[in-house]
Amino acid sequence: GQQVMQIPQYQHVQEGEDFTTYCNSSTTLSNIQWYKQRPGGHPVFLIQLVKSGEVKKQKRLTFQFGEAKKNSSLHITATQTTDVGTYFCAGPSTSYGKLTFGQGTILTVHP
Amino acid sequence: ETGVTQTPRHLVMGMTNKKSLKCEQHLGHNAMYWYKQSAKKPLELMFVYSLEERVENNSVPSRFSPECPNSSHLFLHLHTLQPEDSALYLCASSQGVAGGSADTQYFGPGTRLTVL
Repeated sequence: GQQVMQIPQYQHVQEGEDFTTYCNSSTTLSNIQWYKQRPGGHPVFLIQLVKSGEVKKQKRLTFQFGEAKKNSSLHITATQTTDVGTYFCAGPSTSYGKLTFGQGTILTVHP
Repeated sequence: ETGVTQTPRHLVMGMTNKKSLKCEQHLGHNAMYWYKQSAKKPLELMFVYSLEERVENNSVPSRFSPECPNSSHLFLHLHTLQPEDSALYLCASSQGVAGGSADTQYFGPGTRLTVL
C-alpha cells in the first residue's frame, strides 16, 4: 500500500537556527498537505501544494513540492519557541479520498 | 477553532466499562474520520464515514464500534477495552465524499483516553 515517510523523526535546534523536514511518498501524489500539532494539541492544517515544483511561503515557513510529485519539504527559517510541535505531511490515498499521514517530525526549539 | 468539537476531552475507564466518544462538526462537511494517536506512533486511521455511510474500516478490533447518525455527528462506542488502547482519539471532518480527492481535514481537540 501507499507509504508516506518523513525524516527526521526528531529535531532539536537552538532558537534562531533553521529547520527542515522531508517527506517522501512511495507513489505519485495529486497533492500534499502539511499539518502542525502543538504539544497537547491536535493537528492543524497549514498548507496544500498541488503543482509539480510548487513553492509556497508562509512568513518563515517555506513549503516545496518535488518535480516528480513524490516528495516535499518544509523549511523554517530562524526558528522560534512558538514553532515547537510535530509537523506532519499527508498525501491522498488511492481509496475513498482519505489521507495517508507521515509519522511526523517532532521539533524542539531551545531558547 | 470550534469547527469540530469532541467530548469528553479526557476519559478514564476500566476494562469492563462501556463508554462513548462524541464528535460534532459544524462545517457542513460530508466526511468524518476517527484516528488513534498513540505516543511515538503515527496517526492511525480507524474509520471513515462519507455521507453517513462507513466507507473504510482499517481492521479495527470490534471493541471499537463507530456510529454516524447524521453528517454532523460521529460516535465511537467503547467496550471491554485493553490498556494498550490508551491513546488520544481524534475526530476529523472534510468536505469531500467517498471517491473524491482528499480534501483538507479539520481535526477536533481529541479525547485523551486512559484504560486502567
